[in-house]
Amino acid sequence: NAGVTQTPKFQVLKTGQSMTLQCAQDMNHEYMSWYRQDPGMGLRLIHYSVGAGITDQGEVPNGYNVSRSTTEDFPLRLLSAAPSQTSVYFCASSYTRTRETQYFGPGTRLLVL
Amino acid sequence: GIQVEQSPPDLILQEGANSTLRCNFSDSVNNLQWFHQNPWGQLINLFYIPSGTKQNGRLSATTVATERYSLLYISSSQTTDSGVYFCAVSPSQGGSEKLVFGKGTKLTVNP
Repeated sequence: NAGVTQTPKFQVLKTGQSMTLQCAQDMNHEYMSWYRQDPGMGLRLIHYSVGAGITDQGEVPNGYNVSRSTTEDFPLRLLSAAPSQTSVYFCASSYTRTRETQYFGPGTRLLVL
Repeated sequence: GIQVEQSPPDLILQEGANSTLRCNFSDSVNNLQWFHQNPWGQLINLFYIPSGTKQNGRLSATTVATERYSLLYISSSQTTDSGVYFCAVSPSQGGSEKLVFGKGTKLTVNP
């Protein structure tokens, strides 16, 4: 198993540009989520999904969209990037919701100029 | 929402020393996990421990759910233990599907 994979590893955007951060898992996990990590902070939940076709907002959803068309993939879309979205983004998955061990991807470092 | 506080924020040890990290949370939880983020940024789950005690090698964790805290013990620390340790919880009611993280304890183990 590859586990949880994220692409790209690093990205530079200009303010106003859009992009999609990719996340995929091959463990047949129902629950997937996106977090952002900023210096001195813990991880903050952006969006999560409890299964294909079902998504919901986390703690800091503004400026981000998600969709879950398949069990394996959970892309995060930035519609119009802002410097405040400069951060490290982590995708995570678990077999059933948050009651199980969370497995994290390696992260995507995003810089918005 | 639920609040998660970790202490101490920073900890510096000599190799071989023992340490205890604490996680306090403000409401009842049905999920508590400890994670280690290594210096390269990778997050690894250490324990899923909403209550009780677990041990894995030199690491052990105890959660006293009724008193709303959890402890992570690291014995005979090694330089590879360096990194940031996070506690994360899900409230039992209202948002039980969301994992809320503390700000972490940064551990530095010197040789």
